[in-house]
Amino acid sequence: DIQLTQSPSFLSASVGDRVTITCRASQGIRSYLAWYQQKPGKAPEVLIYAASTLQSGVPSRFSGSGSGTEFTLTISSLQPEDFATYYCQQLNSYPITFGQGTRLEIK
Amino acid sequence: EVQLMESGGGLVQPGGSLRLSCAASGFTFSDHFMDWVRQAPGKGLEWVGRIRDKGSGYTTEYAASVKGRFTISRDNSKNLLFLQMNSLKTEDTAVYYCARSRHGSESRLDYWGQGTLVTVSS
Repeated sequence: DIQLTQSPSFLSASVGDRVTITCRASQGIRSYLAWYQQKPGKAPEVLIYAASTLQSGVPSRFSGSGSGTEFTLTISSLQPEDFATYYCQQLNSYPITFGQGTRLEIK
Repeated sequence: EVQLMESGGGLVQPGGSLRLSCAASGFTFSDHFMDWVRQAPGKGLEWVGRIRDKGSGYTTEYAASVKGRFTISRDNSKNLLFLQMNSLKTEDTAVYYCARSRHGSESRLDYWGQGTLVTVSS
């Protein structure tokens, strides 16, 4: 199975900050990586797919990059509604797997 | 508008069975892969399994943790997705989400239901 390791697991930041979350895969997954945002009590929502493609309706302050084994999600200027938990997911091979999550909190 | 709505969750004893349903609307259900994802209380997301579309013969994939115990099926005439869960264990306690899956180069889970809670406890 492909393991995804996100770093950091916890991040404290302020409104307006630029933040980056990293997702490392235990083996190459080409660009078959998606990023999700989940708020408490809600279902996840996709932000980015194919490593760098912005899902329709998602603000442009979110961006993704990477291929192979190392990927990043960047939020260029944090907004109050961005404080949530973020997950990466690989869809290159079965079983599909998620990273452990990164909890982003207000400093 | 794409909508997914799960139902069928509840309290079940270890070793018991439960069948979850997911009602889909707003898209051509039979043309899409569909996934189940679960989330144990306070934990991260865990992919449970997938059923492919008509073109792929409605074949299925499962996580190792549920293979042989869980079965995913679909009724395209009623736009329903199912998750039959047998031999339930306490570690199966989670919120279960159904999600529409896009495959190929644009792979992602682009729509999710609100989730249904399954509690396995004596």
